[in-house]
Amino acid sequence: KAGVTQTPRYLIKTRGQQVTLSCSPISGHRSVSWYQQTPGQGLQFLFEYFSETQRNKGNFPGRFSGRQFSNSRSEMNVSTLELGDSALYLCASSFDGFTGELFFGEGSRLTVL
Amino acid sequence: AQSVTQLDSQVPVFEEAPVELRCNYSSSVSVYLFWYVQYPNQGLQLLLKYLSGSTLVKGINGFEAEFNKSQTSFHLRKPSVHISDTAEYFCAVSEGQGGSEKLVFGKGTKLTVNP
Repeated sequence: KAGVTQTPRYLIKTRGQQVTLSCSPISGHRSVSWYQQTPGQGLQFLFEYFSETQRNKGNFPGRFSGRQFSNSRSEMNVSTLELGDSALYLCASSFDGFTGELFFGEGSRLTVL
Repeated sequence: AQSVTQLDSQVPVFEEAPVELRCNYSSSVSVYLFWYVQYPNQGLQLLLKYLSGSTLVKGINGFEAEFNKSQTSFHLRKPSVHISDTAEYFCAVSEGQGGSEKLVFGKGTKLTVNP
C-alpha cells in the first residue's frame, strides 16, 4: 500500500510569492491534516479536511488556506510568503479522522528568502 | 487549551541501556494520547497510542508507555535501546469524544543512542 505522498519535497521561494503544496493520502483515507514544523514552534496544526470539507482549523493567518478534492487529495496554499513561513510542512492522512493514528508524509521543506 | 510538555529536550544514552522519555499533558476533558517518532529527513511514525482501557500500552520496536491520569503523564519507556532508536520523539494529545484529527504536540525529545 502506497504511503502519503507530498510534492514537491523541497522548494525555495522569495518573500511576497505564493506557494502550493500537494498531498496524496493513503488509498481509502478520507481525512487529511496539515502541520507546520519549525525548530522554534515545533509541530503546529494548520487544518484538517474530511470529504472535501474543512473540519478543523489551527491558529494561522488567512494567508494559509487549503482544500480537498473528491479523490481525497489535498493542497495547501500560502500567499504573500514571509520569511517566517520557512518550515517543513507535513501532511497526514487517516481513515476517518477520529482515532489519532495519523500517517505522515515526508513533508515539503519550504525556504523563503 | 490543551498542552503537552516534554520535560527533556535531549536524552543521551548508551546502547542497551533503558530509557524513559517524559511527557505531561493538560486537558480538562478525556484525551487520546500518542507517541510519534521522527527519523532524520522523514515524516512522523506512530509508535503507540492510548485511547482507553489498559493504562499500559505497548507499541512498535519494543516501546511501551503508561497512562497515569492522576499525574497527567504518559511516559515512554524502552528497557534496552539500540543505535537505530536514535531519533526525535513527540508526545501528542487530541481531544476525545470523537473530535476530529487535531493533535497538539510537545516540543519533542531528541534521543541519541551512543555505542
